[in-house]
Amino acid sequence: DAMVIQNPRYQVTQFGKPVTLSCSQTLNHNVMYWYQQKSSQAPKLLFHYYDKDFNNEADTPDNFQSRRPNTSFCFLDIRSPGLGDAAMYLCATSRTGTAYGYTFGSGTRLTVV
Amino acid sequence: KNQVEQSPQSLIILEGKNCTLQCNYTVSPFSNLRWYKQDTGRGPVSLTIMTFSENTKSNGRYTATLDADTKQSSLHITASQLSDSASYICVVSDGNDMRFGAGTRLTVKP
Repeated sequence: DAMVIQNPRYQVTQFGKPVTLSCSQTLNHNVMYWYQQKSSQAPKLLFHYYDKDFNNEADTPDNFQSRRPNTSFCFLDIRSPGLGDAAMYLCATSRTGTAYGYTFGSGTRLTVV
Repeated sequence: KNQVEQSPQSLIILEGKNCTLQCNYTVSPFSNLRWYKQDTGRGPVSLTIMTFSENTKSNGRYTATLDADTKQSSLHITASQLSDSASYICVVSDGNDMRFGAGTRLTVKP
């Protein structure tokens, strides 16, 4: 089945130790998004790729970076995780334009110790 | 102020009962509105999508309504089941961006 896959489901990292979360899709969607969701809050958009074009939200910390080496894969890099970065990280994809809505991955729960 | 407000914040009901969740929005222009179900520790899954001209849309025991004039939507769950326990998120699109509500946390008890 076509889907959005995030790995790992759970990630524990040490304070200040770089960590990478991955997302892959078989939907051939041209837009990929990374969201941060903290407990009982709405997902917060960090950045998105429209094809190869990277779009960063104004309030996304510099600590967060992203890479999209091809249509299918997108990575979220956290260079120096802090305790406040502990959250669920959601990857989503869509075809051009939001009229089609999003398909979300199952998320990666990040714990910072 | 969030452009998508959901109520109640949380809700507890008994299995088999019906419930209605509310979503009010100020997003403009309006393109479409989606309801997502998010199980604990999982990503959101789409339940319904409605455009401006649609008043109601059903998906099994889930029925969403939309009043584009008053900018209100509701999600009605019929004959609730334990597996309905989840967060329900209302997402409104202006055609470019998606605006998320904070969600309603529903707990269905036996």
